[in-house]
Amino acid sequence: GAGVSQTPSNKVTEKGKYVELRCDPISGHTALYWYRQSLGQGPEFLIYFQGTGAADDSGLPNDRFFAVRPEGSVSTLKIQRTERGDSAVYLCASSLNGPGVRTEAFFGQGTRLTVV
Amino acid sequence: AQSVTQLGSHVSVSEGALVLLRCNYSSSVPPYLFWYVQYPNQGLQLLLKYTSAATLVKGINGFEAEFKKSETSFHLTKPSAHMSDAAEYFCAVTSGSKLTFGTGTRLQVTL
Repeated sequence: GAGVSQTPSNKVTEKGKYVELRCDPISGHTALYWYRQSLGQGPEFLIYFQGTGAADDSGLPNDRFFAVRPEGSVSTLKIQRTERGDSAVYLCASSLNGPGVRTEAFFGQGTRLTVV
Repeated sequence: AQSVTQLGSHVSVSEGALVLLRCNYSSSVPPYLFWYVQYPNQGLQLLLKYTSAATLVKGINGFEAEFKKSETSFHLTKPSAHMSDAAEYFCAVTSGSKLTFGTGTRLQVTL
């Protein structure tokens, strides 16, 4: 497709379970970002990839959260031992180059994660 | 660190009325500022961005924003609201390798 694709669109999991959220960026985009949007809040930065490497993971809240982008395209956000506080919409964005005002980031529709 | 504050979590206007959504920034360096719109069940879409080239920035769908350094503001305006403008609007500022977003303003447009 032409845009950023995120799967699944909705995920309900039990507390303590492991989940994986997938992001397919726009083809050719080298930069990929993950954000988390809690109810009533703006998106909060989690991690930024440039190519295959995590250039900035300062937003990951704790070591239960991990993300990979092994081939520099698709990325997976992994959450271990999920907690109810992890419930949120997880947004993925990609841009042609790295961060910069001349490089627009395109967002996917997000994955709504609900931990029960 | 750079940050933005959006005043008013909900704004309601009549169709055809002026839209004014407020955003104030805090930045120790010249900021790069953005407005994004989020329609229900859709991703964020860029409305416009300030890159220091011009203080009045025009965006899509008839929106514009003016950068005012003296007021540390970047308010979003539209002369005449349309029903299709109902959405959530986010102001954001670049901070290193990421965007830092405000808490959002939900715009309601009534007949």
